Amino acid sequence: KNEVEQSPQNLTAQEGEFITINCSYSVGISALHWLQQHPGGGIVSLFMLSSGKKKHGRLIATINIQEKHSSLHITASHPRDSAVYICAVKRGSQGNLIFGKGTKLSVKP
Amino acid sequence: NAGVTQTPKFQVLKTGQSMTLQCAQDMNHNSMYWYRQDPGMGLRLIYYSASEGTTDKGEVPNGYNVSRLNKREFSLRLESAAPSQTSVYFCASREGGSYSYTFGSGTRLTVV
Repeated sequence: KNEVEQSPQNLTAQEGEFITINCSYSVGISALHWLQQHPGGGIVSLFMLSSGKKKHGRLIATINIQEKHSSLHITASHPRDSAVYICAVKRGSQGNLIFGKGTKLSVKP
Repeated sequence: NAGVTQTPKFQVLKTGQSMTLQCAQDMNHNSMYWYRQDPGMGLRLIYYSASEGTTDKGEVPNGYNVSRLNKREFSLRLESAAPSQTSVYFCASREGGSYSYTFGSGTRLTVV
């Protein structure tokens, strides 16, 4: 079983819909990252969380440490949000990142 | 503000050929990382360098070597490329004490 599981693997939405991507992990962590990867492009860091909730524009990330679960929400989705969203966790202060397999999001106009 | 720069962006190699992937960062970060990304899998750590002069193996180091030339540069070498090394390679850096990572744009390598 992977230490970091994301769901769904693929997601198709209509423009304007509210989107939720989930990440569950099975190890103790010091931080959780949400990353965005556009087709053919590099990887951009969206959020880093160790507790609670963060918001940036239309993106909201939450984490529940007790339940070992995080969600990434996109409000009023737009075709330019189409990308692969990757969850990664950091074990301890010296540990390296462990990555989920990613969620491929396609937003149709 | 270049961030993390990887070269080349694309490369095709024949089995048995060697090559070096270059990575440089201009953020004065201590830690640097090399990952590979394969279809259906999460990014996997090949090697990392916690500081200038040190390197350590990650999850999938076989077939690779690295050099932390100075604080800015961290190169990944394939001595004898194999088709199993066909992948997209990402370099990343992180400032010591920070949990924030910066990634390069990737190198798409095909070994035929």
